[in-house]
Amino acid sequence: DGGITQSPKYLFRKEGQNVTLSCEQNLNHDAMYWYRQDPGQGLRLIYYSQIVNDFQKGDIAEGYSVSREKKESFPLTVTSAQKNPTAFYLCASSISPGLAGVDTGELFFGEGSRLTVL
Amino acid sequence: QKEVEQDPGPLSVPEGAIVSLNCTYSNSVFQYFMWYRQYSRKGPELLMYTYSSGNKEDGRFTAQVDKSSKYISLFIRDSQPSDSATYLCAMSATTGKLIFGQGTTLQVKP
Repeated sequence: DGGITQSPKYLFRKEGQNVTLSCEQNLNHDAMYWYRQDPGQGLRLIYYSQIVNDFQKGDIAEGYSVSREKKESFPLTVTSAQKNPTAFYLCASSISPGLAGVDTGELFFGEGSRLTVL
Repeated sequence: QKEVEQDPGPLSVPEGAIVSLNCTYSNSVFQYFMWYRQYSRKGPELLMYTYSSGNKEDGRFTAQVDKSSKYISLFIRDSQPSDSATYLCAMSATTGKLIFGQGTTLQVKP
């Protein structure tokens, strides 16, 4: 079945450590996104990529880094510079290179990764 | 003030009730309006998509957009316990950046 796979589902990290969240899609979508979800704040865009080897900062990129070496993969690294990294992280993809897949209005989301900093 | 405001709830209703979920927004450039449903510990999935003003119906779900009032609604008829989830409104302008509301948590009690 086509979809987006995020791993790990749950992750614990000590302060000062970097951690990488994996996101893989087999939908053949051009665009991929990383969102952060905190209680009462909805989804906030961290980074997005419209094409391989290119990506742009979203609204809250500080303390995060990404790469897009392959169409199907868009890993997110949460660095030690991120002041408050405990959150639920969602990866998404869309058919069109438009930032939100506006033609269809649809982002396809993975099941998320919950990161807790101890 | 946030660009998109949504009451986080929680909203608790009995099975069979009509549910009304709402969002207000401040930016008049928004043209595309969506509702996503998110079950606990899962990623959101698109429920309804509307372009510009008007109504759209899909089974028990109706989405309404009132651009003059900058107000969108999602109605759920004959609500079921399986409708218990968080509902996120989202909207974008022609440039495509998607802005999400905070999400409303709905519980439908049998």
